Amino acid sequence: EADIYQTPRYLVIGTGKKITLECSQTMGHDKMYWYQQDPGMELHLIHYSYGVNSTEKGDLSSESTVSRIRTEHFPLTLESARPSHTSQYLCASQHRGNYGYTFGSGTRLTVV
Amino acid sequence: QKEVEQNSGPLSVPEGAIASLNCTYSDRGSQSFFWYRQYSGKSPELIMSIYSNGDKEDGRFTAQLNKASQYVSLLIRDSQPSDSATYLCAVKAGAETSGSRLTFGEGTQLTVNP
Repeated sequence: EADIYQTPRYLVIGTGKKITLECSQTMGHDKMYWYQQDPGMELHLIHYSYGVNSTEKGDLSSESTVSRIRTEHFPLTLESARPSHTSQYLCASQHRGNYGYTFGSGTRLTVV
Repeated sequence: QKEVEQNSGPLSVPEGAIASLNCTYSDRGSQSFFWYRQYSGKSPELIMSIYSNGDKEDGRFTAQLNKASQYVSLLIRDSQPSDSATYLCAVKAGAETSGSRLTFGEGTQLTVNP
C-alpha cells in the first residue's frame, strides 16, 4: 500500500498550458523532493523542501515551481508547458530515522 | 569527479549466477547508503540500506560497505530474470556537503538471461 501518492499518473497536454502535478504523503515526513527523469537516464533533483514554507531549487535548473503549505502536500507547477518539459516526474519523501526515500509512482508528462 | 559513481553497464548475467553491482562515493563523511531497484517505466524501490562497515544480508541480496575504501556494493545471488532492472546507488553525504538529501548514482542496468 503506497504511502506517497502522485496524480495524475499520465498527462498529455498542449504547449503553453499551466499544469500542477500533485504529490501527497501520509507518513508525516518533513522532507520531500521532486526529481525529473528521462527514460533510461539518471535522476535529476529539481526541487526539495525540508518542511512547511521551506522550498529550495535542486541541482537541475527547472522552470517549474513548488509550494509547501501543508506537511503532507508538495505540488509542482509548470506555468507554461513546453515540449522540453516532456519527462517523468518523481516525488519522494524522506524517513526521519534512516534517511531513506520512498518514491511515488511518478507522473509521466508529455507536452505536445 | 562525480559524488557517486556506479560501474558502467549494462551488466548481463545468466540465470542463477551472482550479479555484482559496485558503487564508489567521494565524501568520506558519508553516513548512510542505499540500493534502489527501478524497473523500466516505474519508480525506484528501496531494496537495501547499510550504515556500518561489513556485510548486510536480506534474502538473495547482500550489501557490502567499506568506508575506508569509500565503496559499497550489492550482490544478488541466484539471479532471476525478474531481477532485470536498473539498480541505483544512493548516498547520504556528510551534513556539510548536502544536508539530508541523498545523492544518486547514474544506475547500472542489469539483465538476467534465462
